[in-house]
Amino acid sequence: AQSVAQPEDQVNVAEGNPLTVKCTYSVSGNPYLFWYVQYPNRGLQFLLKYITGDNLVKGSYGFEAEFNKSQTSFHLKKPSALVSDSALYFCAVRDLSNQAGTALIFGKGTTLSVSS
Amino acid sequence: GAGVSQSPSNKVTEKGKDVELRCDPISGHTALYWYRQSLGQGLEFLIYFQGNSAPDKSGLPSDRFSAERTGGSVSTLTIQRTQQEDSAVYLCASSTPPGSFPGELFFGEGSRLTVL
Repeated sequence: AQSVAQPEDQVNVAEGNPLTVKCTYSVSGNPYLFWYVQYPNRGLQFLLKYITGDNLVKGSYGFEAEFNKSQTSFHLKKPSALVSDSALYFCAVRDLSNQAGTALIFGKGTTLSVSS
Repeated sequence: GAGVSQSPSNKVTEKGKDVELRCDPISGHTALYWYRQSLGQGLEFLIYFQGNSAPDKSGLPSDRFSAERTGGSVSTLTIQRTQQEDSAVYLCASSTPPGSFPGELFFGEGSRLTVL
């Protein structure tokens, strides 16, 4: 069965500093990986995804994520954090080996707090 | 509509009552998902519909929960004999089929259920 782990409930960074939100996954086949963001009192918004190809994927709002197959990780990164990046971030995975359509499985989320 | 529409946005009910939550997906999206978001629990997968295939009900927490999707479009999530632990935000999402791209999920704003 597929699963996602976000080991940190909360990440605190100062504005202008780089940020990393960690994610590790487990699937039986090849993974299809996503990051979503949820701003306060808002729905989830798609940030970026990895399917195949370059291990470094770029997404919305200056975020990027690096796929590492050997470490089964897909950490979210941004070179310089903004206060407006403060939100709840979710990592998600789907197992591409099951084209019948397994659901997208989400981690428990990591709250990012950027201080000014 | 342009996005995923959910209703009601807020529902307060008494323990033991039945509730129905509605989701209207993005036109043309054949995949529809229900998730539950509880404080500290992240996003919990409930059920997944893909076209005319049998739904994946593996995430439904009990037989009090059921969902239908009529005509491959609108879906209704029904919770019978509600309990206080059912209080959560119920999120609906739609997407194109898993084997196609982009394949990311588009979420509605959610239905916040409070069981007194």
